[in-house]
Amino acid sequence: GENVEQHPSTLSVQEGDSAVIKCTYSDSASNYFPWYKQELGKRPQLIIDIRSNVGEKKDQRIAVTLNKTAKHFSLHITETQPEDSAVYFCAAREGNEKLTFGTGTRLTIIP
Amino acid sequence: DAGVIQSPRHEVTEMGQEVTLRCKPISGHDYLFWYRQTMMRGLELLIYFNNNVPIDDSGMPEDRFSAKMPNASFSTLKIQPSEPRDSAVYFCASSLGGWADLETQYFGPGTRLLVL
Repeated sequence: GENVEQHPSTLSVQEGDSAVIKCTYSDSASNYFPWYKQELGKRPQLIIDIRSNVGEKKDQRIAVTLNKTAKHFSLHITETQPEDSAVYFCAAREGNEKLTFGTGTRLTIIP
Repeated sequence: DAGVIQSPRHEVTEMGQEVTLRCKPISGHDYLFWYRQTMMRGLELLIYFNNNVPIDDSGMPEDRFSAKMPNASFSTLKIQPSEPRDSAVYFCASSLGGWADLETQYFGPGTRLLVL
C-alpha cells in the first residue's frame, strides 16, 4: 500500500517568514494530495489540495507544489502569522478512495 | 448542513466495558471513514464505507473492534471489550465520492476516549 513520509516533525519560524513542509509518497498511482491543518483539540480541516495533473496550486498565503517524477509534494506558507501555529498533515490517495496520512508537522510561529 | 456529527464527544470507561461511538455523516455523502489518532501512531484509518458497505477494514486493529453502517446517515464503531491502549481520539469523516471532483474528506469533531 501507500506510504507517506513527512518532514520535519516540528518547525519553528519567525512571524512573517515562510514555512515549508515536505512529503514523499511511494505509490506512483496516487493522484490526489490534500493538506490538513489541525489546531490543538480540534478536528483536521482541509486547507488546500492538489491533483496529479497539476504541478502547483496557490490560495492566498498557502501554496502546494507537486513533483510526480520524484513523488514528493510540499506545502508553502508565506508571511506566517500566529494563527498558522498548528499541526499540519499531508496525505496521498491511491487509486481507490482512502487517504494515507503523513505523521504530521507541528508548526510554531514565533511572534 | 451541520457537518459531520459525532457522539459522545468524550467518553471515560473502565477496562473491559463496551464502548460505542456514533457518527452522522454529511447528508448526501457516499463515503464514511473512521480514524483513530494517538500521539504515538498519528492518524490511522480504521475502516471506510461506500454507500453503507464496508470497503476496507484492514486498519481495524483486532476483533474487539467492529463497525456498522445500517443506513446512509448513521454509523457506529464499537469496542468490546475495551482496553487502556484503545485510549485515543476517534474521528469520523465523510466525503461526497472517491472519483468526483468534490472528494474532500470532512472530519467530525472527534470522540476523546479514555479507558482506565
